Amino acid sequence: GAVVSQHPSWVICKSGTSVKIECRSLDFQATTMFWYRQFPKQSLMLMATSNEGSKATYEQGVEKDKFLINHASLTLSTLTVTSAHPEDSSFYICSATPDSHPYGYTFGSGTRLTVV
Amino acid sequence: DQQVKQNSPSLSVQEGRISILNCDYTNSMFDYFLWYKKYPAEGPTFLISISSIKDKNEDGRFTVFLNKSAKHLSLHIVPSQPGDSAVYFCAATPRGANSKLTFGKGITLSVRP
Repeated sequence: GAVVSQHPSWVICKSGTSVKIECRSLDFQATTMFWYRQFPKQSLMLMATSNEGSKATYEQGVEKDKFLINHASLTLSTLTVTSAHPEDSSFYICSATPDSHPYGYTFGSGTRLTVV
Repeated sequence: DQQVKQNSPSLSVQEGRISILNCDYTNSMFDYFLWYKKYPAEGPTFLISISSIKDKNEDGRFTVFLNKSAKHLSLHIVPSQPGDSAVYFCAATPRGANSKLTFGKGITLSVRP
């Protein structure tokens, strides 16, 4: 089955620094990947849709300059949290759908970001 | 505006009995529906899905029912097992490749031994 690898699984960083999270589709190509954020005991909120070779599409209220998304290849999308602050602490999850199976949404294992 | 609603935050059932998890949606453009199981600090795991052209889909112990006129779907787990204890998310997407998923708030299922 389709596998999505997300790295790192957890990270602690200081306020003001930037953190990069990687999302890889291991055995399929994904033109489109999605980035979600989940606060404790809440739903998964879509942050942005990452499109290979073009700019990401951000959801309303998500700062594109703070959450930089790069989708440079058909198997890799990265989310960079720039100038992180404690309120950015959250659980970030990526998702990818195989180009051959557009409803096959597969999720990574998530990244726990803690900003101190 | 919450387009996918899971109004019951939790459900507790006895092992061996049926678990029924409900989900309602408001967006008529939703065309495909999915259920995910999730543990804390992990990504969601796909369980079962259903297209709007069907009213039922079954996979082992899991069955999803869709009532389009009521904009309602439900996930049935029979028989329930303690390992089923987790948070279950309902998600929906409109027609079209790589359309974004909209999630409900999730239901915490506890299966008592």
